[in-house]
Amino acid sequence: KNEVEQSPQNLTAQEGEFITINCSYSVGISALHWLQQHPGGGIVSLFMLSSGKKKHGRLIATINIQEKHSSLHITASHPRDSAVYICAVFGGSNYKLTFGKGTLLTVNP
Amino acid sequence: NAGVTQTPKFQVLKTGQSMTLQCAQDMNHEYMSWYRQDPGMGLRLIHYSVGAGITDQGEVPNGYNVSRSTTEDFPLRLLSAAPSQTSVYFCASSYESGMYIQYFGAGTRLSVL
Repeated sequence: KNEVEQSPQNLTAQEGEFITINCSYSVGISALHWLQQHPGGGIVSLFMLSSGKKKHGRLIATINIQEKHSSLHITASHPRDSAVYICAVFGGSNYKLTFGKGTLLTVNP
Repeated sequence: NAGVTQTPKFQVLKTGQSMTLQCAQDMNHEYMSWYRQDPGMGLRLIHYSVGAGITDQGEVPNGYNVSRSTTEDFPLRLLSAAPSQTSVYFCASSYESGMYIQYFGAGTRLSVL
């Protein structure tokens, strides 16, 4: 069983919709990352969280350490948001990041 | 400020050939890592380094070698390429470990025939 589970695996939305992508993990962590990868493209860091909530433009990331759960929200989604969103956790002592399999988001105009 | 530079972008090898994937960063980051990305799987750690002269194995190290002689460079060597090593490879760096923002290279798409 993967230590990092993302849901849904695939998500299709209409432009303007509110999007939520979830990430659950099974180990104690020091930090959680949300990353974005456009088709055929590189990987870009969106957020790094260790507690609470962060906001950047239309993107909001939250984390609940007690429940071992994080969410990535996109408000007023746009076709350019179409990408794979990846959750990764850092456990601290082993210097290693563990990645989820990603959520493929398609936003239709 | 170039960030993380990976070369080449594409490579085709024959089984048994060796090659080196280059990774360089100009942000004076201590932590560098190599991942492979395969369809249906998350990024998997091959090797990582927490500073010059220090490297360690990740989740899938077999068939790969690394060294870190300088802070800037972290090359990944394929010793004897196998079709199972067909993948997209990403190099990443950060200030220090996974507690900091990760910066990724553009990736190398490798095919082993």
